Amino acid sequence: GAGVSQSPSNKVTEKGKDVELRCDPISGHTALYWYRQSLGQGLEFLIYFQGNSAPDKSGLPSDRFSAERTGGSVSTLTIQRTQQEDSAVYLCASSVTSGGAETQYFGPGTRLLVL
Amino acid sequence: GQNIDQPTEMTATEGAIVQINCTYQTSGFNGLFWYQQHAGEAPTFLSYNVLDGLEEKGRFSSFLSRSKGYSYLLLKELQMKDSASYLCAVRDRSGGYQKVTFGTGTKLQVIP
Repeated sequence: GAGVSQSPSNKVTEKGKDVELRCDPISGHTALYWYRQSLGQGLEFLIYFQGNSAPDKSGLPSDRFSAERTGGSVSTLTIQRTQQEDSAVYLCASSVTSGGAETQYFGPGTRLLVL
Repeated sequence: GQNIDQPTEMTATEGAIVQINCTYQTSGFNGLFWYQQHAGEAPTFLSYNVLDGLEEKGRFSSFLSRSKGYSYLLLKELQMKDSASYLCAVRDRSGGYQKVTFGTGTKLQVIP
């Protein structure tokens, strides 16, 4: 079946522009995560959606970052007024829980480069 | 806050067994994840532990002790393709919200 997809796969933008990153989770997965990985760095948690519950936005790096998940499915991560330090790979993962065990599936990521 | 520690690098021999440890401190533990990440690729989920004990999946096993704030990932019958970074991550539920914190990862090199 189809896995987690993300678009665009690559994005080059100019400093100050807004960008929107999209994540299509696996159908039926109720949980969705956004992470960021800067070059040569570890993963940084950004935000987590579970069902219809309000997400914790405290992991977002700044108020320029926002995320939505419409209808419990597709999610968009928006970065306003991009800065060079926003350059990173943005990863989305969706998960399913069965018998108390959670299994996550990652998308291929969006490579963002802010010039 | 959370503090997650894992070794930076490890080397092991093809065919051998290697154990990668992870220790953590958190106030609202709600699960621990292990991931594998090859250079330039997205992470691959390996395991999830929320209760104490050992979870086995083929050549990979993961162990959790909540009272000790300790987990390990055990890789058996090592293959060259197992050379990768292994990430430990802890989910915390504090203040009604959930967030995930990653360790810096353990870079495993498998040698012939």
